[in-house]
Amino acid sequence: DQQVKQNSPSLSVQEGRISILNCDYTNSMFDYFLWYKKYPAEGPTFLISISSIKDKNEDGRFTVFLNKSAKHLSLHIVPSQPGDSAVYFCAASAGQTGANNLFFGTGTRLTVIP
Amino acid sequence: DGGITQSPKYLFRKEGQNVTLSCEQNLNHDAMYWYRQDPGQGLRLIYYSQIVNDFQKGDIAEGYSVSREKKESFPLTVTSAQKNPTAFYLCASSIPIGRGDQPQHFGDGTRLSIL
Repeated sequence: DQQVKQNSPSLSVQEGRISILNCDYTNSMFDYFLWYKKYPAEGPTFLISISSIKDKNEDGRFTVFLNKSAKHLSLHIVPSQPGDSAVYFCAASAGQTGANNLFFGTGTRLTVIP
Repeated sequence: DGGITQSPKYLFRKEGQNVTLSCEQNLNHDAMYWYRQDPGQGLRLIYYSQIVNDFQKGDIAEGYSVSREKKESFPLTVTSAQKNPTAFYLCASSIPIGRGDQPQHFGDGTRLSIL
């Protein structure tokens, strides 16, 4: 059963506009959420994270929003650049339980059109 | 530079053959992980290790085996019992489990195919 879901397999955005990638989860024990970026034939690269005690975390052009009541998080990229074109994975863990195992979504392929 | 090295990048296996995928890290991380990625799917956990000489099964451990004799190394063996081994295999490491606020760092993966 998929505990972390990314319902949009792909997203296309014009360069300079905002990209919004969405992620939903079902396990209320998750308390730490991460976004990874992946290029073909490479491993995922950590992008940004957020703890469940926060509702927003920002790092440069990347902002992650967490809505715990809706069990939903989103990644905003502003402004989008062609180099942002990649597959983005959402992941979650129940870190406070003592396990650092990550549960991954199926990914969203972002294409930024120049 | 510190990082995770997976080798080989591409690997071919004959039917009924065991193969071992290498993963080495110089990040001084205690915890290491193996994931499998199939097309259109997320990463699924095969095995993880919190400390040397200890490892635990993940969600899809059947047909796989691991060892953790050194902190830096966490090799994965895909045995002949794994009926669908064709996939992209990713190794990761992190500081000790229990620190859920620390990200895992990934290698560049090994693509395994059946001849």
